[in-house]
Amino acid sequence: EVQLVESGGGLVQPGGSLRLSCAASGFTFSSYAMSWVRQAPGKGLEWVSGFSGSGVSTYYADSVKGRFTISRDNSKNTLYLQMNSLRAEDTAVYYCAKGSRITLHYNWFDPWGQGTLVTVSS
Amino acid sequence: DIQMTQSPSTLSASVGDRVTITCRASESISSWLAWYQQKPGKAPKLLSYKASSLESGVPSRFSGSGSGTEFTLTISSLQPDDFATYYCQQYNSYPYTFGQGTKLEIK
Repeated sequence: EVQLVESGGGLVQPGGSLRLSCAASGFTFSSYAMSWVRQAPGKGLEWVSGFSGSGVSTYYADSVKGRFTISRDNSKNTLYLQMNSLRAEDTAVYYCAKGSRITLHYNWFDPWGQGTLVTVSS
Repeated sequence: DIQMTQSPSTLSASVGDRVTITCRASESISSWLAWYQQKPGKAPKLLSYKASSLESGVPSRFSGSGSGTEFTLTISSLQPDDFATYYCQQYNSYPYTFGQGTKLEIK
């Protein structure tokens, strides 16, 4: 069974940093692109960042470019999101999601982890 | 960015009803469209991909159709478990974008 388990969320002050992790199991991790998708409270879904399975390609939404860094450790089957210079508008549940192929192109997301809440507030 | 617009935003229906949710793209996305179901406090769940391919394990009362800029998700006979929020997602080009969601409520 494919499983994705996020961790690392919490309360952080504006300007602070957090690192999210997503532990994957039940599939060949290096064979799939992985992404982070967030959902602000009561709002819709936003694709934040993606990383190809091969480690060649990454994607960042304009809203996080220069502040967030995605990485993956295929030996540990783990995806990361380093979030710096956090803002109130980054407050959201962050989901880790498995892509449908090794490249970032033409990916739907399945499955999703349970999500981890990031709250940016003073 | 490709804008995805769903209609309606809220839909009230009864068990047994046939319902259709529409998703429109601001430019052609061929058939690169997925549908998700989300229940309160839970992660989204994939229902269909490539516009009309049903994910394994999803009940056959769900069906997707469309291509280009207009797509639909149809539930042929609503069941109590189907009351949730539904999102479409285009994956034709970066950034992948989602519709704003359609909340399906019990009438």
